[in-house]
Amino acid sequence: QSVLTQPPSASGTPGQRVTISCSGSSSNIGSQAVDWYQQLPGTAPKLLIYSNNQRPSGVPDRFSGSKSGTSASLAIRGLQSEDEADYYCAAWDDSLNGGVFGGGTKLTVL
Amino acid sequence: QLQLQESGPGVVRPSETLSLTCAVSGGSIDSINYFWGWIRQPPGKGLVWIGSIYYSGSAYYNPSLKSRVTISVDTSKNQFSLKLSSVTAADTAVYYCARRDFSEAHFDSWGQGTLVTVSS
Repeated sequence: QSVLTQPPSASGTPGQRVTISCSGSSSNIGSQAVDWYQQLPGTAPKLLIYSNNQRPSGVPDRFSGSKSGTSASLAIRGLQSEDEADYYCAAWDDSLNGGVFGGGTKLTVL
Repeated sequence: QLQLQESGPGVVRPSETLSLTCAVSGGSIDSINYFWGWIRQPPGKGLVWIGSIYYSGSAYYNPSLKSRVTISVDTSKNQFSLKLSSVTAADTAVYYCARRDFSEAHFDSWGQGTLVTVSS
């Protein structure tokens, strides 16, 4: 059972916009920044979004993040086949004094 | 360009201690701007934060693993290490080392990961 809650799966067709949610509590998302990681099959995770809505250099602007209260979302517009991957949200948890991840969402491009 | 490389045994016997090292190249481990961390991923499952360490030796651990985990840093070799004691099959996972931003807490650079299997 992960501290942060994500839907196990999501899907969309090429060109579509999809969103992935991440729900937490006041000790993590409610008071700390949220990050998102993309994990392509058989590879290490890659930082996709940090500090709620910031994109590292090289990440397409099709990817965006937002946060409201104790929930966060990752949005992908103009979905492409290469976006098929697992996506994880993460945050620091003040109560645990450590980092926490969501359980991950497997995105399928139909 | 920063590179992190995990190394260590691929198989560990139950009840023994898992030991991994992460060699850092292309950057200095004693930078004031970063922590250095370990994350694991059991087969077919999600990511689990294990802990992070600063170059000074100050460390934070996942409470659920804290009694069995030690993370250390060797600035002379530009590397940091993970020790997990009393392992069981539940500790079988891909173990990743990563660099963590000091102020914003995200992991911005990851090693390729190494699979450790606990088996007799």
